[in-house]
Amino acid sequence: IAGITQAPTSQILAAGRRMTLRCTQDMRHNAMYWYRQDLGLGLRLIHYSNTAGTTGKGEVPDGYSVSRANTDDFPLTLASAVPSQTSVYFCASSGSTGELFFGEGSRLTVL
Amino acid sequence: DQQVKQNSPSLSVQEGRISILNCDYTNSMFDYFLWYKKYPAEGPTFLISISSIKDKNEDGRFTVFLNKSAKHLSLHIVPSQPGDSAVYFCAMTTDSWGKLQFGAGTQVVVTP
Repeated sequence: IAGITQAPTSQILAAGRRMTLRCTQDMRHNAMYWYRQDLGLGLRLIHYSNTAGTTGKGEVPDGYSVSRANTDDFPLTLASAVPSQTSVYFCASSGSTGELFFGEGSRLTVL
Repeated sequence: DQQVKQNSPSLSVQEGRISILNCDYTNSMFDYFLWYKKYPAEGPTFLISISSIKDKNEDGRFTVFLNKSAKHLSLHIVPSQPGDSAVYFCAMTTDSWGKLQFGAGTQVVVTP
């Protein structure tokens, strides 16, 4: 059972480059989320999608965009990466119980 | 301005003893409260939750307490086991369980 799959696991990126973090779930959950984890700040919600075709902004959406073309995929794009976007990014999904299931994370370093 | 605070970044406890993790919040509109556990190089996993209409919820060795008047949430682990060594995040929401505000986390180390 895969659950949530994120790619890449780790990436080093030059500032100003475009980057897309991929997220795929096989649980047919309607809702999906992107969080970033930073030391001393916990996890913060970037964007979310309640169902395919809809997206919404979380607590820290600036510099990020998402799309939800289908139920399974929820990519996160950094159009022009900056060093403050260095973080660990977690994708998550939730179904009828409301419980969040997280992927294993993507560690991004922007130099 | 962080609405959810875990003031203890780390906690060391002996195996078999009680672990008590604390979390304070400022937003009185939060109505669902959760604890997540995270091992290194893994995503967080749901541990236990409580709604604002309750003050206690138990699940095996884990008990969550909510004091709404003090805006204080705590997690008790009894007895603590080596496998409980992890980072614990409190989280809460005024909306859906997916749109959470997290504390900074507490690293728990259970020693033999």
